Amino acid sequence: NAGVTQTPKFRVLKTGQSMTLLCAQDMNHEYMYWYRQDPGMGLRLIHYSVGEGTTAKGEVPDGYNVSRLKKQNFLLGLESAAPSQTSVYFCASSSTSVNEAFFGQGTRLTVV
Amino acid sequence: GESVGLHLPTLSVQEGDNSIINCAYSNSASDYFIWYKQESGKGPQFIIDIRSNMDKRQGQRVTVLLNKTVKHLSLQIAATQPGDSAVYFCAENIGNQGGKLIFGQGTELSVKP
Repeated sequence: NAGVTQTPKFRVLKTGQSMTLLCAQDMNHEYMYWYRQDPGMGLRLIHYSVGEGTTAKGEVPDGYNVSRLKKQNFLLGLESAAPSQTSVYFCASSSTSVNEAFFGQGTRLTVV
Repeated sequence: GESVGLHLPTLSVQEGDNSIINCAYSNSASDYFIWYKQESGKGPQFIIDIRSNMDKRQGQRVTVLLNKTVKHLSLQIAATQPGDSAVYFCAENIGNQGGKLIFGQGTELSVKP
């Protein structure tokens, strides 16, 4: 049982480039989340989804877009990367809003 | 307002002592709370959770206390071990915002042998 898998694990982008981070879960969870974590700080919610075909904004959505075309996948897109988006990105999923969220191992993104 | 800083609050305890990590939450509509442990270079791992209709829940060596009156959550770790050294986060699910799971700043626990 793989749980939550994030792809890629590391990436370096140049300012202005675009990329998509993929999150896949095999637990048939309805809820999925994207967070960013900066040094010495907690996790800040970027976007989340409460089911296939739905997305909603979190605390820091600007500069990111998401899609949930399939229940098991939640994609995070950066259309024009900026150095301020250098961070570690975590994806999570949960079966309901009152059950624990399971996290992936993170994607370390550096924008130069 | 939100404080922004590069240094997490830290708690240093002696091996074998009990640890208490505190968390204040802001939204009275939050109906579910979780404590996570994060080790260096890894994703957060679930420790224990509590629903808003409870004020205490116990797990193995851990206890979570919820005080809704003052919007305060605490995690108690009994007989703290070196393997407990990590950053601990509380998270709240804001019930009237359909699944929005928000994390607190985190506390770094350091266990001295």
